[in-house]
Amino acid sequence: DAKTTQPNSMESNEEEPVHLPCNHSTISGTDYIHWYRQLPSQGPEYVIHGLTSNVNNRMASLAIAEDRKSSTLILHRATLRDAAVYYCILRGIQGAQKLVFGQGTRLTINP
Amino acid sequence: NAGVTQTPKFRVLKTGQSMTLLCAQDMNHEYMYWYRQDPGMGLRLIHYSVGEGTTAKGEVPDGYNVSRLKKQNFLLGLESAAPSQTSVYFCASIPYGSGGYNEQFFGPGTRLTVL
Repeated sequence: DAKTTQPNSMESNEEEPVHLPCNHSTISGTDYIHWYRQLPSQGPEYVIHGLTSNVNNRMASLAIAEDRKSSTLILHRATLRDAAVYYCILRGIQGAQKLVFGQGTRLTINP
Repeated sequence: NAGVTQTPKFRVLKTGQSMTLLCAQDMNHEYMYWYRQDPGMGLRLIHYSVGEGTTAKGEVPDGYNVSRLKKQNFLLGLESAAPSQTSVYFCASIPYGSGGYNEQFFGPGTRLTVL
């Protein structure tokens, strides 16, 4: 499985946008880029995924570099409830669809 | 739909005791997974199943056994618990043939302490 690199921690203020970066320089052409987050004392939850084009959903936006070697998760207006560990994960189209979790980015939101 | 549920939520065991963790999903998902998460770490895959009656080893399978006798249930067993198995255990599932894009649904976790 191709690896991803994320900053260990980031901090932002409530109601401001947050940009969470992820590097995945060894991504293959068929790998999807997934983002999950884990709120304190909960299981991970799906945030968003993409392949080549930028994606938007009700939770966030995903901006994917043209060469696909990096991506950025964008929270448009952070709330205190967005404080969590965010995981950037690559997933291929074949096989057992396992998720390989790194350490993720711990996002702190200041009121 | 209840989604993915896990039983029990908490458990304390003594070294050498055995127990079974139950994961149940009501979404008719084909694939199911067991992960463990140690403090400050990401999740690591223990075992997984791509269908009823099938199981396979993940990244950290030693000391655990699994069974998938019914499609909706995935059981994780510890035959002789060790303190190193103190962790939070998460179960997850996805539909069949997701092709890399479907989300994994996670349960709320089981917090296990082995003394």
